[in-house]
Amino acid sequence: QVQLVESGGGVVQPGGSLRLSCAASGFTFSSYGMHWVRQAPGKGLEWVAFIRYDGSNKYYADSVKGRFTISRDNSKNTLYLQMNSLRAEDTAVYYCAKDPGMIRYYFDYWGQGTLVTVSS
Amino acid sequence: QSALTQPASVSGSPGQSITISCTGTSSDVGGYNYVSWYQQHPGKAPKLMIYDVSNRPSGVSNRFSGSKSGNTASLTISGLQAEDEADYYCSSYTSSSTGVVFGGGTKLTVL
Repeated sequence: QVQLVESGGGVVQPGGSLRLSCAASGFTFSSYGMHWVRQAPGKGLEWVAFIRYDGSNKYYADSVKGRFTISRDNSKNTLYLQMNSLRAEDTAVYYCAKDPGMIRYYFDYWGQGTLVTVSS
Repeated sequence: QSALTQPASVSGSPGQSITISCTGTSSDVGGYNYVSWYQQHPGKAPKLMIYDVSNRPSGVSNRFSGSKSGNTASLTISGLQAEDEADYYCSSYTSSSTGVVFGGGTKLTVL
């Protein structure tokens, strides 16, 4: 069965950096686009970024453009999110989510999430 | 990207039907059939309930249905059950950013 397991969350100071990972199993990782979606405490969902199955195209929300970088290593079945210049408003649970195709703009499987707290 | 507009809360009694609306623009909901709906119970990851406006993934009850008219999409839940009580989010492709935009979420209470 499809499994997505995020890791790398924690507490970081404003202006700091953090790299999240998402280990995928149960499907052919290299054939599917992948997303990051976040949810601030008590708030709604916010799409963060998308990467095509082969890493050739990447798209970002305006709120993270220029600060976050999505990447993937298909040999390791792992998705990444490099987060730089972190701000208090980046505090959220970060979910990795599978796209059902090359890019279908919805999420058929989600991980359990990893909490990132930006605070001094 | 501006969020899609959903009512903050809806409620219904067991057995009844409810509808949650999701209003966007011609750049998202109205322009594409890439509307999806997610159910989220407290402390859990979201679960896909509807994709491409009206399609149900396997395993999702046929009590859940989706539709769209103009810039507004809708999720209808018929025969309400206690386990349907959750937060519901709509999302859509948006040409504004070549990405995805979510609604603010709707809390469904089963009375």
